[in-house]
Amino acid sequence: GNSVTQMEGPVTLSEEAFLTINCTYTATGYPSLFWYVQYPGEGLQLLLKATKADDKGSNKGFEATYRKETTSFHLEKGSVQVSDSAVYFCALSTYGGSQGNLIFGKGTKLSVKP
Amino acid sequence: ETGVTQTPRHLVMGMTNKKSLKCEQHLGHNAMYWYKQSAKKPLELMFVYSLEERVENNSVPSRFSPECPNSSHLFLHLHTLQPEDSALYLCASSQGGGAADTQYFGPGTRLTVL
Repeated sequence: GNSVTQMEGPVTLSEEAFLTINCTYTATGYPSLFWYVQYPGEGLQLLLKATKADDKGSNKGFEATYRKETTSFHLEKGSVQVSDSAVYFCALSTYGGSQGNLIFGKGTKLSVKP
Repeated sequence: ETGVTQTPRHLVMGMTNKKSLKCEQHLGHNAMYWYKQSAKKPLELMFVYSLEERVENNSVPSRFSPECPNSSHLFLHLHTLQPEDSALYLCASSQGGGAADTQYFGPGTRLTVL
């Protein structure tokens, strides 16, 4: 079946450090891939997405590239800020089967210290 | 500012109570979703409505009963819940129900079942 595996947290970094959160997936068909972010006390917000192989999603300094050969969609940011502290979720959605069926990873909590 | 609102934000109920969660989207979307976010599991899709018709029910117990009276409103009726149903319940909407459509989330209702 379809699934998403992302690195376990929590991740603690100092401000301006480089961030990588690994995400790999298993899917039938051709999934779309997403990163969502959840700030404390809030719902999820789309951070970026990619809908086909080799696409790069980017937003707010975050990037992720859809790698079909390694079934990965790792999230990166060159210089994190305290305001990036949140929980990050990798997710996939596939064509065919249930429409709009987002499958999420377990989430990675990021804490950025000043 | 989110275009998806949820009320109440917090709810405490006993196992014999009946309550309802409400979700409203102001984005003109055609699909709406209920998710459950509990501490020990990944986000779980519960129900999907597309054009007010239920298209997905992920083996959710009958003590959860969704209702979608129109494309802007979604309810989750709760009755005789169990303590393990305590979680954050998130509503989302998307333009269509397709795999590449971005889902927009509300802030959630934090439910505690005593």
